[in-house]
Amino acid sequence: NAGVIQTPRHKVTGKGQEATLWCEPISGHSAVFWYRQTIVQGLEFLTYFRNQAPIDDSGMPKERFSAQMPNQSHSTLKIQSTQPQDSAVYLCASSSGQNYAEQFFGPGTRLTVL
Amino acid sequence: QQQVRQSSQSLTVWEGETAILNCSYENSAFDYFPWYQQFPGEGPALLIAIRSVSDKKEDGRFTIFFNKREKNLSLHIKDSQPGDSATYFCAADASSGSWQLIFGSGTQLTVMP
Repeated sequence: NAGVIQTPRHKVTGKGQEATLWCEPISGHSAVFWYRQTIVQGLEFLTYFRNQAPIDDSGMPKERFSAQMPNQSHSTLKIQSTQPQDSAVYLCASSSGQNYAEQFFGPGTRLTVL
Repeated sequence: QQQVRQSSQSLTVWEGETAILNCSYENSAFDYFPWYQQFPGEGPALLIAIRSVSDKKEDGRFTIFFNKREKNLSLHIKDSQPGDSATYFCAADASSGSWQLIFGSGTQLTVMP
C-alpha cells in the first residue's frame, strides 16, 4: 500500500501562471479531500469528492480554484492566475467508505508563487 | 472563532516523561476526534482517534482522554522519546454529512534526550 501520492512535491510558479496539483488516493478509497496548510491559517479544508462526485467545495476560493476527479485513481486541483497568497502546502487525503472522517494524508505539494 | 483550540503552541518534555497535549472544541455536535502527527516536510499522519461516546482510547504509548461535558480532550504520550518530537494536531469531524476535518493550530512537541 503506497499511501496517498501527490505530485509534484514542490512547484514554483510566477504570478499569474497556472498550477495543477495531482493526487492519487489509496487504492479502494472512495473519498478524496483537499486541504491547504499555511503558517498563518493552519490546516484548512478546501473540497471533497465521494465516488468521484463533488460533494462539498465550501472551502474553495470562488475564483481561480477548481478541482476535479475524472476517475477513481486521481484528482487534480487547479489554480489559475496564481497569486503570492496562494503559496502554501496543498494536502490531499483519502478515506474509505467505512469512516469518511478517518482520513489519510499524502506528503503534500509545496506551491511557491513568486 | 476557532472551533478547535490547542492552547499550547509548544511543549518540551524530557525523554521518558509523559507528554500531555490539550485540545478543546466549541461545537457539541462534533463526534469524531483524530489526532495527527506531522514531521517537517511530511503530511499529517493519523495517530489515534476517539468518538464522543467514549471517554478513553488507548493505543500503545498514546492515550486520548475525552470529556464531553467540558468539551475538551487530551493526548497523553507515555515514555516520550526524542523521535516523538513533532507537531501534533487535534481535529474534529464537522459532521453534518460533510466529513471535513476542522483542525486546531497544532502543538509542537520537543522531547529532550
